[in-house]
Amino acid sequence: EDKVVQSPLSLVVHEGDTVTLNCSYEVTNFRSLLWYKQEKKAPTFLFMLTSSGIEKKSGRLSSILDKKELFSILNITATQTGDSAVYLCAVGLQGAQKLVFGQGTRLTINP
Amino acid sequence: NAGVMQNPRHLVRRRGQEARLRCSPMKGHSHVYWYRQLPEEGLKFMVYLQKENIIDESGMPKERFSAEFPKEGPSILRIQQVVRGDSAAYFCASSPTGQGANYGYTFGSGTRLTVV
Repeated sequence: EDKVVQSPLSLVVHEGDTVTLNCSYEVTNFRSLLWYKQEKKAPTFLFMLTSSGIEKKSGRLSSILDKKELFSILNITATQTGDSAVYLCAVGLQGAQKLVFGQGTRLTINP
Repeated sequence: NAGVMQNPRHLVRRRGQEARLRCSPMKGHSHVYWYRQLPEEGLKFMVYLQKENIIDESGMPKERFSAEFPKEGPSILRIQQVVRGDSAAYFCASSPTGQGANYGYTFGSGTRLTVV
């Protein structure tokens, strides 16, 4: 069965800290790995990664994929209270249009 | 350009009633995906539809659940004879082509179903 596991499940840090969120996967036909940010409403797309070792960056957020070790990390530097959310990792499969999601990491940034 | 619109935002049903959840895709999108999110869990794929066709329903429970996407109008996810375990957030996403998952499709704000 295709599986995506995120860690930690919950993380509380102070504003200004740097955080690293982890996502590992075991799937039969990997095509891509995606990160989403979910506040109280819809998940919003952050990154899609398909190639190992190439960092994707958007402001204070960055992500990288390791297809040999089957994991990805999402880094957030200089965290702000607005970064508080659940961060979801998902894997896209070859030959299918569905995404397999992890259970999410709930990140809380305290002022 | 409005995003993916889901309604109602919140729906309360008694056990045994029917729930109908609606999803209007983004303008120009003809592919719709439904996901369910149980409390404190990630999203789980339910069904992928194109106009008038179900393409992949591998995540749909075998009984009581059905989905359609007619030629005109929104996509509908229908749950008959709801039970407490159906309480969840139901999210819809859409894409202009059948390659939506390749690019991280856009989600609606979800319908939160509570069964009492």
